[in-house]
Amino acid sequence: VQLLESGGGLVQPGGSLRLSCEASGFSFPTHGMAWVRQAPGKGLEWVSGISGSTTDTYYIDSVKGRFTVSRDNSKNTMYLQMNSLRAEDTAVYYCAKWDGYAHDWGQGTLVTVSS
Amino acid sequence: EIVLTQSPGTLSLSPGERATLSCRASQSVSGNNLAWYQQKPGQPPRVLIYGAFSRATGIPDKFSGSGSGTDFTLTISRLEPEDSAVYYCQQYGGSPRTFGQGTKVEIK
Repeated sequence: VQLLESGGGLVQPGGSLRLSCEASGFSFPTHGMAWVRQAPGKGLEWVSGISGSTTDTYYIDSVKGRFTVSRDNSKNTMYLQMNSLRAEDTAVYYCAKWDGYAHDWGQGTLVTVSS
Repeated sequence: EIVLTQSPGTLSLSPGERATLSCRASQSVSGNNLAWYQQKPGQPPRVLIYGAFSRATGIPDKFSGSGSGTDFTLTISRLEPEDSAVYYCQQYGGSPRTFGQGTKVEIK
């Protein structure tokens, strides 16, 4: 299993970013996926999840209405569109192969929200 | 939301000793759906235990999980220097999925 995140970077408050997670080594369409973040020096926080083929989506309250998770099963890729970013969204964002818990993790991509 | 409280915050032990890490939930975790992760500096976490006591693929039997309801334990026997890490519990019996704040294990 390999999970490769991309799309992180420095963005101003109120700005937008789109993260991608390219998956390989397993049957992507049949597995749920998730985004988990970790602020600098802090613990882990589940942010969003998406089911396999049915594309049900889930969010933590603090990102509802601002973040949108999606997937393209033909490209084995999951996305996280992040709008109206805030300083408190600054974190390493990990994608994970998800079955309620994280079977496998990517290396993460750093999102920094700062002016 | 289920709040998970881990204790102690830091555990400092010698090689060969046993570590006992606690994870207490604010309400009963449905189906004992609780996982444990290990995270070393600069690395993503890796899953050790799921379903409260089932070891993930490739995890040595020195790691064991136990407990049910609101009280769960991760035991690490025969501590080695490479076990130095932060350990997190996570519940998936309720929504949203939540993590504990972590226990840091230091090897003297």
